Amino acid sequence: SQTIHQWPATLVQPVGSPLSLECTVEGTSNPNLYWYRQAAGRGLQLLFYSIGIDQISSEVPQNLSASRPQDRQFILSSKKLLLSDSGFYLCAWSLQLNTEAFFGQGTRLTVV
Amino acid sequence: DAKTTQPPSMDCAEGRAANLPCNHSTISGNEYVYWYRQIHSQGPQYIIHGLKNNETNEMASLIITEDRKSSTLILPHATLRDTAVYYCIVRQGGSEKLVFGKGTKLTVNP
Repeated sequence: SQTIHQWPATLVQPVGSPLSLECTVEGTSNPNLYWYRQAAGRGLQLLFYSIGIDQISSEVPQNLSASRPQDRQFILSSKKLLLSDSGFYLCAWSLQLNTEAFFGQGTRLTVV
Repeated sequence: DAKTTQPPSMDCAEGRAANLPCNHSTISGNEYVYWYRQIHSQGPQYIIHGLKNNETNEMASLIITEDRKSSTLILPHATLRDTAVYYCIVRQGGSEKLVFGKGTKLTVNP
């Protein structure tokens, strides 16, 4: 069966520090991968999605970037975190069009 | 932006049916309607999806109007554990994007 792993579960980082969040999927090939962010009390904001290795679409201009070095690995990065980067970050995967997406358990990031 | 409209909040008594509406008046012919829910501090959970016909699974039923401009998610016997934010989503233009709106916060009361 397919599983999605996202880590760490919680993270506290100082302003200006770098960030690397990793997400991996097991049990499937060539998934679509997604990064979302949810600020406190807000809805889910799509940040990036990827339909294949090195094929990444950015939805919102910001100081975050995403990479997909392997088929089932999706990484969210920042060179310098801002206070406004705090939030709940979720990774998700799906297969081709018109199939459901499955979410990881999320990383709660607090920038201090 | 999401192409759906949902009420911001709803209440339901435990054991009763919860009917959550969603308007998607600009839906295209090949776009599916998806429903997810998010329990506090967890990742969203897939519930059900459909194109034209009504759908039912072990979690819920999805009723889509004939003109496909609106749909209703039905939880037949709501429990306290169904308290969550429910998102109605339409896949945008056949793309791979999955964009969430603000959803409906459903509170199931004892």
